[in-house]
Amino acid sequence: GESVGLHLPTLSVQEGDNSIINCAYSNSASDYFIWYKQESGKGPQFIIDIRSNMDKRQGQRVTVLLNKTVKHLSLQIAATQPGDSAVYFCAANSGGSNYKLTFGKGTLLTVNP
Amino acid sequence: GAVVSQHPSWVICKSGTSVKIECRSLDFQATTMFWYRQFPKQSLMLMATSNEGSKATYEQGVEKDKFLINHASLTLSTLTVTSAHPEDSSFYICSASAGTGAFSFGQGTRLTVV
Repeated sequence: GESVGLHLPTLSVQEGDNSIINCAYSNSASDYFIWYKQESGKGPQFIIDIRSNMDKRQGQRVTVLLNKTVKHLSLQIAATQPGDSAVYFCAANSGGSNYKLTFGKGTLLTVNP
Repeated sequence: GAVVSQHPSWVICKSGTSVKIECRSLDFQATTMFWYRQFPKQSLMLMATSNEGSKATYEQGVEKDKFLINHASLTLSTLTVTSAHPEDSSFYICSASAGTGAFSFGQGTRLTVV
């Protein structure tokens, strides 16, 4: 079955620094990946997604990198701000038309002012 | 666009009673809705997948008779926790998809069973 995991449960950075959050997945059939931000007591908030036909996608201050060879993706946040403090989850689908998502364990990002 | 509203945002109920949580897609038709459960400091665990007009598909280990899911329309799915017990206390989150591969999440419901 699918398993999605994160390398680090917590990450602490200084305001203004860049943050990198990593994620590994196991299902080679996964072809759609999403990064979510979750603040305490709230539902997941979409940050950025990427399909398997791409290896990089950029948004506003965020970049997702996908390495299908080693089944790894990362989320880079530029110029991290205190408002970025939250838990970040990666999620992967099961491939093809299957829209079921499997979530990783989550990384708590703390931004120190 | 693609807004999902979940209600209530929090609920406290007595042990043995049932609680219904609603998940609505406000501006799109959700062909598929998903229900997740999240315990403190843990990830989201998929409980079940529901398609409009058909029975929900439950993940392994999730009791279908305890967590009743109804997806009667393209904009509404409900999760009923029957005979709730303190161990059912959790954060329940729904998400909805229009079948395009994009997902929208509700704001979650904090259930506390006392």
